[in-house]
Amino acid sequence: NAGVMQNPRHLVRRRGQEARLRCSPMKGHSHVYWYRQLPEEGLKFMVYLQKENIIDESGMPKERFSAEFPKEGPSILRIQQVVRGDSAAYFCASSPIGLAGRGTQYFGPGTRLLVL
Amino acid sequence: GESVGLHLPTLSVQEGDNSIINCAYSNSASDYFIWYKQESGKGPQFIIDIRSNMDKRQGQRVTVLLNKTVKHLSLQIAATQPGDSAVYFCAGAESGAGSYQLTFGKGTKLSVIP
Repeated sequence: NAGVMQNPRHLVRRRGQEARLRCSPMKGHSHVYWYRQLPEEGLKFMVYLQKENIIDESGMPKERFSAEFPKEGPSILRIQQVVRGDSAAYFCASSPIGLAGRGTQYFGPGTRLLVL
Repeated sequence: GESVGLHLPTLSVQEGDNSIINCAYSNSASDYFIWYKQESGKGPQFIIDIRSNMDKRQGQRVTVLLNKTVKHLSLQIAATQPGDSAVYFCAGAESGAGSYQLTFGKGTKLSVIP
C-alpha cells in the first residue's frame, strides 16, 4: 500500500514565478492537510481539504496561496509570484477520517521549495 | 490558541539507554496528541498517539505519558538504537473544535551515541 506521495521532491523557482506542489493521499484516504516547515522549526498547519471542499484554511496566507483537492487527481498547493520567504519544506498529510474521528495523519516526504 | 513546545532542543543518549523526550502544551482544550519522528530529508513518521482520556499508552519500545494537570506529555524510548536518531515532534489538536489542524512543537533532536 503506497504511502502519501508528493512531487516534485525539490523545486527551484525564481522570484515572481509560480510553484505548484502535488500530493496524492494514501489509498482510501479522503482528507488532505498541507503543512509548511521552516528550517529548525516544527510544521505549521496551512489548510485542510476533503474532496472538492476546503474545510479549514486558517493557516494559509491570504494572498498568493491557494489549494484544491479535485474529485479526480491529486491535491494541489499553488503559490503564485513566489518570494524568497516562501522557501521551505511543504508537507502533505492524509487521513481516512478527520481528527474528530481519531484519524491519524500520515505524512508524505515533502517538497522542498527554494526561491532564488 | 494552541501552543506546543519542547523543553530541550537536543538530547544525546548512549546506545542501549532509555530516552525521554518532553513536551508541554498550553491549550487545556487539546484532547489528542501524537508523537512524530522525522529523519533528515523525510516527512514526519507517526510513532504513537494518545487521547486525553488516557494517561499512558505503550507501543513497541515506546511509551507516551500524558499529565493533563500540568499539560505535559513525554515520549519514552526503551533501549535506544542508532536508528532512533532523528528529530521528534509532539503535536496536539482540539478534535472537537471543528478544526483538524495539528499544532507542532519545534522538535527535539535525538542523537544516539554508539
